[in-house]
Amino acid sequence: KAGVTQTPRYLIKTRGQQVTLSCSPISGHRSVSWYQQTPGQGLQFLFEYFSETQRNKGNFPGRFSGRQFSNSRSEMNVSTLELGDSALYLCASSREGQKEETQYFGPGTRLLVL
Amino acid sequence: GDSVTQMEGPVTLSEEAFLTINCTYTATGYPSLFWYVQYPGEGLQLLLKATKADDKGSNKGFEATYRKETTSFHLEKGSVQVSDSAVYFCALSEGIKAAGNKLTFGGGTRVLVKP
Repeated sequence: KAGVTQTPRYLIKTRGQQVTLSCSPISGHRSVSWYQQTPGQGLQFLFEYFSETQRNKGNFPGRFSGRQFSNSRSEMNVSTLELGDSALYLCASSREGQKEETQYFGPGTRLLVL
Repeated sequence: GDSVTQMEGPVTLSEEAFLTINCTYTATGYPSLFWYVQYPGEGLQLLLKATKADDKGSNKGFEATYRKETTSFHLEKGSVQVSDSAVYFCALSEGIKAAGNKLTFGGGTRVLVKP
């Protein structure tokens, strides 16, 4: 079974631009979560989607948004990029999004904002 | 809110040494607990998990026991190998059904095993 895939793997943008990252979950998984990883703040939860609905959201500004499609694929968007948005963005999927379930992570998209 | 505290690294060991990484947590309910490992340039991989008190998770020689009385989930391995060099993250999932499952991570512990 294929794992979680994320595209693109690397991205360079300039301040003020916007960016869209994509995540394809494991087949049959309906929950997709996004995390931001930075050296200073560590791993922080962005949001979770289940059946095309955002169920939970972390403490990030409204510039960070996401959506989920009917095939469970998810995208996240960051508008008006800031230098501090440079990070590794990780997507994870699980079957139903229950607390005891394992979340399977993709390899991440490394975003550099110049 | 929920939080996870784990020992800061780096932890440097010789091959075949005993490894312990301490992890304690704060949660309002009955979380599930996880250890994830991250190798250079990669995403996170589940190492082991425990979903209720006194459960022991184990995988690849690593073990951790869910201790509710001490709110801890310490990771141990009896004999490490060079290939165990990585960053280890302790995490919890509180997960209210309507709100989905959200992982709260510790800061990570870098482990370096020397031959």
